[in-house]
Amino acid sequence: EIVLTQSPATLSLSPGERATLSCRASQTVNSYLAWYQQKPGQAPRLLIYDASKRATGIPARFSGSGSGTDFTLTINSLEPEDFAVYYCQQRSNWPPDTFGPGTKVDIK
Amino acid sequence: QVQLQESGPGLVKTSETLSLTCTVSGGPVSRAGNYWSWIRQTPGKGLEWIGYIYYSGTTNYNPSLKSRVTISVDTSRNQFSLKLRSVTAADTAVYYCARDGQYGSEYYFDYWGQGTLVTVSS
Repeated sequence: EIVLTQSPATLSLSPGERATLSCRASQTVNSYLAWYQQKPGQAPRLLIYDASKRATGIPARFSGSGSGTDFTLTINSLEPEDFAVYYCQQRSNWPPDTFGPGTKVDIK
Repeated sequence: QVQLQESGPGLVKTSETLSLTCTVSGGPVSRAGNYWSWIRQTPGKGLEWIGYIYYSGTTNYNPSLKSRVTISVDTSRNQFSLKLRSVTAADTAVYYCARDGQYGSEYYFDYWGQGTLVTVSS
């Protein structure tokens, strides 16, 4: 089973700042990695798939990069609605597909 | 717009069977190219994929739960269901149903239900 590690656990930033979130896989997942956003009391929402492709309706301030074992989600100029928990998920070597433990982006 | 809604008991006794149903609207579960999954979330283990089903009945389960899980589909009702046997307190979680939509050569969870909290207690 591929283990995903996310860092940092918490990121405290102000609106307008850039957020850089990291996801590392225990073995290569090629580019089969997704990012999800989850707000309190809601289900996760697909943001990025195949490491760098934005899902339908996702603003351009969200971007993903990386391949192999190291991936980054960047949120340019944080909006108030972007403060949430972000999870990465791999679909390279499954079952099972696995999720990272999450990074919480909160307001500084 | 595809929508999913979980339903089922919010409280299950230890050692009994957890049963949940996901009702899909806005599109048929029998549409080719989509898989339908159950995922759960706990504070301790985070998000955990339980398994998926295709409209044909093909299933795939998380090896860690495989011995206790059955996922089935009812295309006439546009629903799919989860049964988890011999539950313990460790199975207490928010359970989500989700659609695996095809994106290029892979599948990702693009539509989710709102989630339902299931508590296991004696």
